[in-house]
Amino acid sequence: AQSVTQPDIHITVSEGASLELRCNYSYGATPYLFWYVQSPGQGLQLLLKYFSGDTLVQGIKGFEAEFKRSQSSFNLRKPSVHWSDAAEYFCAVGISGTYKYIFGTGTRLKVLA
Amino acid sequence: KAGVTQTPRYLIKTRGQQVTLSCSPISGHRSVSWYQQTPGQGLQFLFEYFSETQRNKGNFPGRFSGRQFSNSRSEMNVSTLELGDSALYLCASSSGMDRGFLEQYFGPGTRLTVT
Repeated sequence: AQSVTQPDIHITVSEGASLELRCNYSYGATPYLFWYVQSPGQGLQLLLKYFSGDTLVQGIKGFEAEFKRSQSSFNLRKPSVHWSDAAEYFCAVGISGTYKYIFGTGTRLKVLA
Repeated sequence: KAGVTQTPRYLIKTRGQQVTLSCSPISGHRSVSWYQQTPGQGLQFLFEYFSETQRNKGNFPGRFSGRQFSNSRSEMNVSTLELGDSALYLCASSSGMDRGFLEQYFGPGTRLTVT
């Protein structure tokens, strides 16, 4: 069965520090992978997506993610975190042909000043 | 381009009542998906509509239903509300075609509280 795992429920980093949020997926075919961010009381905003090609993808707000097929991972990174990055981050797999997404449980990021 | 809009933004209902939530997709988008978000279960897929047809549905009881109109606007209905239906209901739109379906844009959600 398809699934998405975000092993870190909470992460706290200091402003200016680097960030890596982990995402592992289970899917038999080539996955379509996404990272979304959700600020409190808001909907989800697409940060970046991977469909095919270059395994390092750039997104908005200075985020990037790397697809590693051998590890079934799609980790999100940012070299220097800003206080405004505090939010909840969701990794998702798009299941082609079924018209549905499977989301991870989310990682809540706290940024210390 | 205007984003996805959802109305109402907040709703308080009593157990046993029914509720209808509305979603207007981005102009030109023909696919609308609905999700339920709760602290315990996270984001769970409810159903997806494209050109007034439901193409997929999640594992929710029949009390949850939806429809899509010819202008791509969508509504979801929950009948006989239960306390556990309290959640943030998110709507997402996309072009709906092939991989275009996969790039979804979310609305701000409707916060439903059942008392």
